[in-house]
Amino acid sequence: QVQLVQSGAEVKKPGSSMKVSCKASGVTFRSQTISWVRQAPGQGLVWMGRITPILGSVYSAQEFQGRIIISADESTSTAYMELSGLTLEDTAVYYCAREPSFQDTTGYLHYFFDFWGQGTVVSVSS
Amino acid sequence: DIQMTQSPSSVSASVGDRVTITCRASQDINNWLTWYQQKPGKAPRLLIYAASNLQSEVPSRFSGSGSGTDFTLTISSLQPEDFATYYCQQSKSFPLTFGGGTKVEI
Repeated sequence: QVQLVQSGAEVKKPGSSMKVSCKASGVTFRSQTISWVRQAPGQGLVWMGRITPILGSVYSAQEFQGRIIISADESTSTAYMELSGLTLEDTAVYYCAREPSFQDTTGYLHYFFDFWGQGTVVSVSS
Repeated sequence: DIQMTQSPSSVSASVGDRVTITCRASQDINNWLTWYQQKPGKAPRLLIYAASNLQSEVPSRFSGSGSGTDFTLTISSLQPEDFATYYCQQSKSFPLTFGGGTKVEI
């Protein structure tokens, strides 16, 4: 069974950086695609970016480009998401999630999330 | 970016009711549509993928339909454990985007 275990809650100052980890088990890590999704208090879900270690592929949403770094350590089956230049608006729960490799009958890939981490609460406060 | 609009934003229902939630995409997304359920303090749970495929271990009272720009999630007979917030998500193009959510409450 796939399991994603994230690092613990963080309290950060405006202007600082955060780094959340996501350790995977029950799967061959390097062939997985791990995405990061965040949810501000009382708000909806926002996709931030994704990494596929076996392809060396990293993609991030334009909204976060320039201040997000998504990486992975295959030796520990852990994905990381680092966000810099924090503002109060970055206060949120940050989730990692696994994308299964689903190809429909017409051959198209679908990108969605079947296993999620427990979430990491990050509070940005002065 | 593709905008996803859900309606209603909240719905009041009773156990046993049939509940329908709508998701509209700002452009044609074929069947690149996923539905999730989220309960307070928990991570989202995958319900439906590719618009109408039921995820393993998800009860059959959940169903999805639609193609193009208009999609529907139906709960045929609402159960107590179904009171939650539901989100749609498109994967036609990056960035992946979610609807604003529909809260199903008593």
